[in-house]
This record gives sequence, structure tokens and C-alpha cells, in this order.
Amino acid sequence: GAVVSQHPSRVICKSGTSVKIECRSLDFQATTMFWYRQFPKQSLMLMATSNEGSKATYEQGVEKDKFLINHASLTLSTLTVTSAHPEDSSFYICSALDRGWERSYGYTFGSGTRLTVV
Amino acid sequence: GQNIDQPTEMTATEGAIVQINCTYQTSGFNGLFWYQQHAGEAPTFLSYNVLDGLEEKGRFSSFLSRSKGYSYLLLKELQMKDSASYLCAVRDSSTDKLIFGTGTRLQVFP
Repeated sequence: GAVVSQHPSRVICKSGTSVKIECRSLDFQATTMFWYRQFPKQSLMLMATSNEGSKATYEQGVEKDKFLINHASLTLSTLTVTSAHPEDSSFYICSALDRGWERSYGYTFGSGTRLTVV
Repeated sequence: GQNIDQPTEMTATEGAIVQINCTYQTSGFNGLFWYQQHAGEAPTFLSYNVLDGLEEKGRFSSFLSRSKGYSYLLLKELQMKDSASYLCAVRDSSTDKLIFGTGTRLQVFP
């Protein structure tokens, strides 16, 4: 079945540093990848949509210079949190869209990354 | 804009039936998903409705009324392991974005 590998699963970083999160589609080509953020006891909030080979589209209120998204290939999208601050601590999760996959109607989620900024 | 609402929390007893509602107002609609999520884990796909009516899948059923902007997830024969968050999500017809509702935390008691 469709699998999306997300790494790292947990990361602790110092305030002011940058952190890169990777999502790879292992057995399908993901032309579109969605990035979400989830704070404790809240739902998933869409941050941005990345399409292979083009610039990401960010949701209102999401700083594109702080959350850098790269989707250079059909199987890899990365989210870099730049100059991280404690308020960026959250659960980040990606979702790859494979329009040819029927079981989950196309959306396959990564396992998520727990980011803690100290 | 998008507005997708669910009750924040619900409780139920093991063996009982619970209905989790979801109301939505979206600019473009191409289906509604239900997911189950345990804390710290990825959402797990439960169901998808794009036409009006009831979709039954084992202990879980999902209903959709497009004219009313309303869906519900019905869980039967509740088990302790069903304690989780349940998220409805609407697929945008022009962008394929999945926009999630506020989520419902369900606690099942013995």
C-alpha cells in the first residue's frame, strides 16, 4: 500500500536554530504534498501545499520565510523551520496525495514529527 | 472560507453507540473524510462520503447530507480502544486540500 516515511519522528533543538523535516513517498509519486501543524488537543491546521517543481502555496497567516518548503522530486518534500522559537514547538505532519490510490482515496499521512524548541 | 465544526469532547460507555457530528461551510466541496487519531500519531482513515447517504463499514458508519452541510460518524459496540480523537475533513474541489474540522475527543468508559 501507499506509504509515506517522515523523519525525524522527534527532534529537540535550541531556540534560533533550524530544523528540517523530510517526507518521502516510498511506493508512489506524490505530485502534491500537504504540510500540517497540530498543537496539543487541537486539530490539524493546514500550513502549506507543495507541488513538485513549483513554489509552495502557504495558508493565510503562515510565514513563508520561516517555514521553507521544498518539493524537488516526486517522492520527497521537506519542511525547514528556520530560526525556531519555543512557540514553534508542535506536531508537524505531512500528507501526500496520490490520485491513483483508492484505499484511502488518495491521502497518505506521514507518521509525524514532534518538534520541541528549548 | 472554510468553517468545519465538531463537538470538542464526548464520553460514552463500553458497548454503547455514539454519534459524532460535523457541520461544514466550504466554498468548494469534493467529499468528506473521517479519521481517527490517537495522541502523537498520524490520523487513520475511517471513511469517505461524496454522495448523500450512509456508508457502513463494520462497527463504523458515516452519513452525509450535502444540502445541509452535515455529516456524522456512528460508532457501534464501543470498545475501550475507540478512545481517541475523531476528525472530519472536507476536500476542496479546486485545490484538493483537506481541511480538518476542530476534532472530537472521545472517551470510552468501562
